[in-house]
Amino acid sequence: DTEVTQTPKHLVMGMTNKKSLKCEQHMGHRAMYWYKQKAKKPPELMFVYSYEKLSINESVPSRFSPECPNSSLLNLHLHALQPEDSALYLCASSQGTSDSYEQYFGPGTRLTVT
Amino acid sequence: DQQVKQNSPSLSVQEGRISILNCDYTNSMFDYFLWYKKYPAEGPTFLISISSIKDKNEDGRFTVFLNKSAKHLSLHIVPSQPGDSAVYFCAASEGSGAQKLVFGQGTRLTINP
Repeated sequence: DTEVTQTPKHLVMGMTNKKSLKCEQHMGHRAMYWYKQKAKKPPELMFVYSYEKLSINESVPSRFSPECPNSSLLNLHLHALQPEDSALYLCASSQGTSDSYEQYFGPGTRLTVT
Repeated sequence: DQQVKQNSPSLSVQEGRISILNCDYTNSMFDYFLWYKKYPAEGPTFLISISSIKDKNEDGRFTVFLNKSAKHLSLHIVPSQPGDSAVYFCAASEGSGAQKLVFGQGTRLTINP
């Protein structure tokens, strides 16, 4: 089973709203990732968690706040977003060990900021 | 600076023939390369990968070739099927474990009946 689930599938929010994106995996993976993908562009890394600790932050604005409550769950808290933040937000996971490279992606959350 | 490049935005191939998707990279520290397939409104699906210590990896209809001296890799799909129509992303990783994947711009493959 290589399934990563994400909720919600679609989200529309105003610039003053606070919302959260959720991601879950039950593959025993110890690394989890948030990527952002704009239309006709490749996915761009935002954050990496390794063994529940934030290990990479790709200079993401503070209006995006990641959280890893446990090894199976990853959240992305959103606050005071801008219309240009509208995109597909992808979660991924990987084993996180020294012999692992493959990342497995969820279906994404389509976010629209109005 | 684009470290992973897919210079062909689109490719059209007849069903049953071979599809060849190309990818170039500039960072010599990349040591693992992956191909992902993406349908609209879905997340990327992992297809096949190759370590920098190999020059070929095969899985069913999919074969990836790596030419380290040219910093070039390619994905061969044979025979091509209509369900292969999707956007294909090449990605590269520097090191193992919890690492950043750097993606190319993608190539849209269309398989014509």
